[in-house]
Amino acid sequence: IAGITQAPTSQILAAGRRMTLRCTQDMRHNAMYWYRQDLGLGLRLIHYSNTAGTTGKGEVPDGYSVSRANTDDFPLTLASAVPSQTSVYFCASSDREDTQYFGPGTRLTVL
Amino acid sequence: GQNIDQPTEMTATEGAIVQINCTYQTSGFNGLFWYQQHAGEAPTFLSYNVLDGLEEKGRFSSFLSRSKGYSYLLLKELQMKDSASYLCASMDSNYQLIWGAGTKLIIKP
Repeated sequence: IAGITQAPTSQILAAGRRMTLRCTQDMRHNAMYWYRQDLGLGLRLIHYSNTAGTTGKGEVPDGYSVSRANTDDFPLTLASAVPSQTSVYFCASSDREDTQYFGPGTRLTVL
Repeated sequence: GQNIDQPTEMTATEGAIVQINCTYQTSGFNGLFWYQQHAGEAPTFLSYNVLDGLEEKGRFSSFLSRSKGYSYLLLKELQMKDSASYLCASMDSNYQLIWGAGTKLIIKP
């Protein structure tokens, strides 16, 4: 693989279900990010990780959790999905102070 | 607070020049980024400015004035494939990107 991959590409989920969005990068970047993008709004940061083993909360962290067990993977978990979490989710990575590179996104619909 | 402002939508003609403006207010400043995003796709990096002045990269140029909290993206010789949203983002003192809502650019033949 080259760059950042995300899975699944899209998902329809019943409210109350648990869901993990996967993100893997092979660029050995230290920092990784999860954003959500909603129509008419800018990208909003959910959680981030500056290096493996550490995570931090972004602008809209409620209802989401992350882990960073190694450099390459940064999964995002919705413990109990709600309709307001319907969005497009982008994972990104960077060498912290440098340019962020984005994965292809996951389109999530919560019914 | 932190805020990024850019126009919601702009229309231009194929072959022409268009300037997309962005004003920013963030806690600290570590650079101004422009990204391009085609519908249904991920944002892709276009340019980065941290010093005042103009950075030229082919048909695209980006300008920064730190004292005014202002940047613009200049697109020359517009092509139909330039139809996309253009996202302005300021990197704050924590090296986090603060994003504008994006400017949708419509190119007409």
